[in-house]
Amino acid sequence: AQSVTQPDIHITVSEGASLELRCNYSYGATPYLFWYVQSPGQGLQLLLKYFSGDTLVQGIKGFEAEFKRSQSSFNLRKPSVHWSDAAEYFCAVRGNNAGNMLTFGGGTRLMVKP
Amino acid sequence: DSGVTQTPKHLITATGQRVTLRCSPRSGDLSVYWYQQSLDQGLQFLIQYYNGEERAKGNILERFSAQQFPDLHSELNLSSLELGDSALYFCASSGGQEVGELFFGEGSRLTVL
Repeated sequence: AQSVTQPDIHITVSEGASLELRCNYSYGATPYLFWYVQSPGQGLQLLLKYFSGDTLVQGIKGFEAEFKRSQSSFNLRKPSVHWSDAAEYFCAVRGNNAGNMLTFGGGTRLMVKP
Repeated sequence: DSGVTQTPKHLITATGQRVTLRCSPRSGDLSVYWYQQSLDQGLQFLIQYYNGEERAKGNILERFSAQQFPDLHSELNLSSLELGDSALYFCASSGGQEVGELFFGEGSRLTVL
């Protein structure tokens, strides 16, 4: 069975500082990986996804993530955080079999200090 | 705007009651997924439909049921409600690709008193 672990429940960074959110997954084959963001009272918005190819993927809002097979990780990064980035971030994994659902990690709540 | 529409946005009801949540997927998407988000369980997959047929089932209680209609909209029925069913229920849709991304609606917040 697939699973996702986000070790950090809460992270606080200063505006303008760099950000890295950790994600570790468990899946027997090459997974499909996603990062979603949820702002208060909103649904989930896709930031970026990895299916295959280049292991460094670029997303919206200046985010990027790197797939590291050897570490079973897919960490999300941003070089300079803006106050509007405060939200909850979810890493998710999906298998490549028909009908496989998207499995989410527990989420990381990001707070941004002025 | 993801293109996925969920109604109602908020719902307050009493224990023992039954409610129906509705989801309209993005135009052309054949798959609909239901997720439950609660503070203690996080985002849990409930059930998936593809073109009217049940495709996958997750942690869905027997008191809950869903269906997808010929026009591809879906309904999630929750019955004999308990306090612990209070949560945000998300619907998501995806297109013909088997492993494409999911597009999420804004959710239906259910409060059971």
